[in-house]
Amino acid sequence: RKEVEQDPGPFNVPEGATVAFNCTYSNSASQSFFWYRQDCRKEPKLLMSVYSSGNEDGRFTAQLNRASQYISLLIRDSKLSDSATYLCVVNRDDKIIFGKGTRLHILP
Amino acid sequence: AAGVIQSPRHLIKEKRETATLKCYPIPRHDTVYWYQQGPGQDPQFLISFYEKMQSDKGSIPDRFSAQQFSDYHSELNMSSLELGDSALYFCASSLVGLLRESSSGANVLTFGAGSRLTVL
Repeated sequence: RKEVEQDPGPFNVPEGATVAFNCTYSNSASQSFFWYRQDCRKEPKLLMSVYSSGNEDGRFTAQLNRASQYISLLIRDSKLSDSATYLCVVNRDDKIIFGKGTRLHILP
Repeated sequence: AAGVIQSPRHLIKEKRETATLKCYPIPRHDTVYWYQQGPGQDPQFLISFYEKMQSDKGSIPDRFSAQQFSDYHSELNMSSLELGDSALYFCASSLVGLLRESSSGANVLTFGAGSRLTVL
């Protein structure tokens, strides 16, 4: 079992809809959590860090549930430009662990 | 703002040849990571350096080696190239303090644009 697991998708979602992804992690010693976005053939870029209290950045909301060991990403009012792969990233003892990513396609 | 610089951006090699990829981290970042990403795959961690010393090792083949120099740039050396080595190679850098304090909101792990290696 991988230490960080994500549903690979693809999620095909109409423009304007709300979509949510989860990511589970197996090591309770994991310390910090991030969502990265990766466009095809491009480098991953930080979308948002995930804080214990949950955090929001515009249309994006991230939540952390330490008891159940998962993080989530909610995208509201999705745009065509949101189409990408979303990578869940976990930091444990300065080791960076990537999930396999969830592919999102926003449909016009 | 300065980003992570990788060179070359594209590289074509024959089987059994060698290749060297270079990475220049963000100034003052103390940690460099190398990742390999095959088509449709997530980034696979190869190796990392903290303050010029190897800090962690992942799925790096014995044919590959890397080092970080006194100016903090890093090089990934790949020998006896195989077809399966064809991939995007990303370098990323971070400042360990920022990584641990995710609430800083800083860009904790910044990737370069990658070097695309094609082995024929």
